[in-house]
Amino acid sequence: DTEVTQTPKHLVMGMTNKKSLKCEQHMGHRAMYWYKQKAKKPPELMFVYSYEKLSINESVPSRFSPECPNSSLLNLHLHALQPEDSALYLCASSQTHPQGNYGYTFGSGTRLTVV
Amino acid sequence: DAKTTQPNSMESNEEEPVHLPCNHSTISGTDYIHWYRQLPSQGPEYVIHGLTSNVNNRMASLAIAEDRKSSTLILHRATLRDAAVYYCILRDYNTNAGKSTFGDGTTLTVKP
Repeated sequence: DTEVTQTPKHLVMGMTNKKSLKCEQHMGHRAMYWYKQKAKKPPELMFVYSYEKLSINESVPSRFSPECPNSSLLNLHLHALQPEDSALYLCASSQTHPQGNYGYTFGSGTRLTVV
Repeated sequence: DAKTTQPNSMESNEEEPVHLPCNHSTISGTDYIHWYRQLPSQGPEYVIHGLTSNVNNRMASLAIAEDRKSSTLILHRATLRDAAVYYCILRDYNTNAGKSTFGDGTTLTVKP
């Protein structure tokens, strides 16, 4: 299995809702990432997990709450979002150091619309 | 983290070679150069990476300047399916799951 699977593919939520995005991989990768991508812009890093521990938080607002329950699964919990949070949310995974020859494997993303 | 700069857009004719440049003048000795491409409504897809020497794989070739301050992704025969946004990023092999910053990328248009 060489894929990163993200669910749901599309999500519409109100500003008072609570929802979660899910990401799963079975490649044995111990690093997992959340990225946010607005239309016609590059992906922006939000969070990095290394060995199931949060290692990087790019000053993301607390209405986004990541969770890594095990080495295969990454969640992003959403609460009280704003319309400007509407974007494509991408999950990625990779091997970790010291294997310098590693690239990211990205999922297809969750298209989030906040109304 | 080191930054990369790429032209906003490039055009190519189908079945002709395409050379996509990337400047990374602040690259450090432990940075690998990675290339990804993103098709509409999909996540980025890994294309190729290298450290110092030129690299070839089934998708593309990567030419790295001797001083490593620039690189070029080469698609030997562009097809319509190669139309995408191409990103060049740097990955530090000395860090555990470190972060990489995506630049604005190059939008490649392939004309039939």
